[in-house]
Amino acid sequence: GAVVSQHPSWVICKSGTSVKIECRSLDFQATTMFWYRQFPKQSLMLMATSNEGSKATYEQGVEKDKFLINHASLTLSTLTVTSAHPEDSSFYICSARGTGNTIYFGEGSWLTVV
Amino acid sequence: SQKIEQNSEALNIQEGKTATLTCNYTNYSPAYLQWYRQDPGRGPVFLLLIRENEKEKRKERLKVTFDTTLKQSLFHITASQPADSATYLCALNNQAGTALIFGKGTTLSVSS
Repeated sequence: GAVVSQHPSWVICKSGTSVKIECRSLDFQATTMFWYRQFPKQSLMLMATSNEGSKATYEQGVEKDKFLINHASLTLSTLTVTSAHPEDSSFYICSARGTGNTIYFGEGSWLTVV
Repeated sequence: SQKIEQNSEALNIQEGKTATLTCNYTNYSPAYLQWYRQDPGRGPVFLLLIRENEKEKRKERLKVTFDTTLKQSLFHITASQPADSATYLCALNNQAGTALIFGKGTTLSVSS
């Protein structure tokens, strides 16, 4: 079946630094990928929709200059958290649209900002 | 904006019983509704998709119903097993039809 891979699975970074998370569709091409954030015991919150070759569409309240999204190829989207702060610590999950309306999710990336 | 409500945060049942989880939405009718399973610290795993013109969908021990009049979907797991213990998320398309939005989930615990 379709597989979406995220890297890294977990990362610890210092406050003020930037960190990049990669999302790859391994056996299919994805013109559209999605980035979510999930706090403990909370729902997945959609941050942005990433379209290959064009600018990402951000949800209301998500700072596009802080959460940089790049979708340079049909199999790779990246999320860069710039000038990270402790409140950015969360579980970041990407997903990619496969055939039909099926969405496949990555395993998520735990970010801890210290 | 669309609100998705999953009836309870936690549901505890005994092995062998049928688990029934509820998902209600408040605003526009989605073109389709999906159910996912999420284990602690992992990404969601797709289970079933049901379209607005479908009343019921089945897959092995899973059954999903979709009532657009009640604005509700029910998710059933029959003959439940301890391995079914997880958080189950209801998701539907946003109004633009471009992305999925999720409920908070119901954490199911099946005891042996």
